Amino acid sequence: KQEVTQIPAALSVPEGENLVLNCSFTDSAIYNLQWFRQDPGKGLTSLLLIQSSQREQTSGRLNASLDKSSGRSTLYIAASQPGDSATYLCASNDYKLSFGAGTTVTVRA
Amino acid sequence: DTAVSQTPKYLVTQMGNDKSIKCEQNLGHDTMYWYKQDSKKFLKIMFSYNNKELIINETVPNRFSPKSPDKAHLNLHINSLELGDSAVYFCASSQGASGGNTDTQYFGPGTRLTVL
Repeated sequence: KQEVTQIPAALSVPEGENLVLNCSFTDSAIYNLQWFRQDPGKGLTSLLLIQSSQREQTSGRLNASLDKSSGRSTLYIAASQPGDSATYLCASNDYKLSFGAGTTVTVRA
Repeated sequence: DTAVSQTPKYLVTQMGNDKSIKCEQNLGHDTMYWYKQDSKKFLKIMFSYNNKELIINETVPNRFSPKSPDKAHLNLHINSLELGDSAVYFCASSQGASGGNTDTQYFGPGTRLTVL
């Protein structure tokens, strides 16, 4: 059974700092690893999808890396802004998505 | 235009009642999902349908019955509601089935179910 862990559970930083969010998973036999953003009272928005054959994926200020052999993925958010405040979820995909509990990020203006 | 929509957004009901949540997607996707997010914020898959066929059925009580009348709709009916069913239920869709493909899942806004 796949288990996904996200550390830290919460993070508060001043505007402009870079954010580093960690995700680990127990079973490396995955098709891909996905990062989502969840705003309070809203659904999930897909941020990045890294295929199992890839090492990283980038979109604007977001960069996600994947080390399948060690069961780890990291989401980097450069030059954080107050609008980045949200909960970030990672999910591993074997035949289904298995989610971590998320990291709640607060960016202080 | 909302890509994945759910109704109702909020549902408050008494224990023992039967209720339904509806989901519709206008993305032309083949696969739809139901997820449950509990009070600790863990999001877990419940069911998945591909072209109206059930392809994922996690260990969910049989009081929960999904129905897919067509590719664009996936409804969730819950019988004999219990306190532990209180959660936020999310519908999602993707072009292909989740296993083995690279398609992103698109999520609805969620339905917050409160059982009293």
